[in-house]
Amino acid sequence: EAGVVQSPRYKIIEKKQPVAFWCNPISGHNTLYWYLQNLGQGPELLIRYENEEAVDDSQLPKDRFSAERLKGVDSTLKIQPAELGDSAVYLCASSTGLGFLAEQFFGPGTRLTVL
Amino acid sequence: AQSVTQLGSHVSVSEGALVLLRCNYSSSVPPYLFWYVQYPNQGLQLLLKYTSAATLVKGINGFEAEFKKSETSFHLTKPSAHMSDAAEYFCAVSDPDTGNQFYFGTGTSLTVIP
Repeated sequence: EAGVVQSPRYKIIEKKQPVAFWCNPISGHNTLYWYLQNLGQGPELLIRYENEEAVDDSQLPKDRFSAERLKGVDSTLKIQPAELGDSAVYLCASSTGLGFLAEQFFGPGTRLTVL
Repeated sequence: AQSVTQLGSHVSVSEGALVLLRCNYSSSVPPYLFWYVQYPNQGLQLLLKYTSAATLVKGINGFEAEFKKSETSFHLTKPSAHMSDAAEYFCAVSDPDTGNQFYFGTGTSLTVIP
């Protein structure tokens, strides 16, 4: 069984540029999560999808961040424009449901560096 | 708001020694608790979870954790450390009474000394 796939693995951009991250969850997983992980910190939830519906986006900075999950499968997280403080690892995870009780399967993450 | 505290950002043990990673939560209502492990350049992987059943939870790779309500703790242990246990460990909490908000701790980096 293939795991959660994320691309790119690494991205370097200059500040004020846009950037997008892509996530392909495990087949059959209807719940998808995007997390932000700063160096030396634990992951922080940005947004959670149940199928194509964003059920928790309270921590997503909506002035510059956006996300979509068309057709309830793949998802894209976008930042526009990027700021220096956005440098971090962006993690995608998926699960079969049951809220947070279900085991979350994580991708390897995308490491973003903003110069 | 629910939160979780991991005491000790770095822990070093000798190979074969006991591993003890500490986690405390702040809630008057027992939440759901999890331990995840992150190996270098890999995604997080669930080690074990507590969901109000048995207070002693056994996980993968010989790890276990005990939920202690009186101490609001969920410490992770392993009797004998192996070199392959070197990784970052995260405690996480989910409180069903607050809409299942999910929080990770800041992590503990485990080093195993040969």
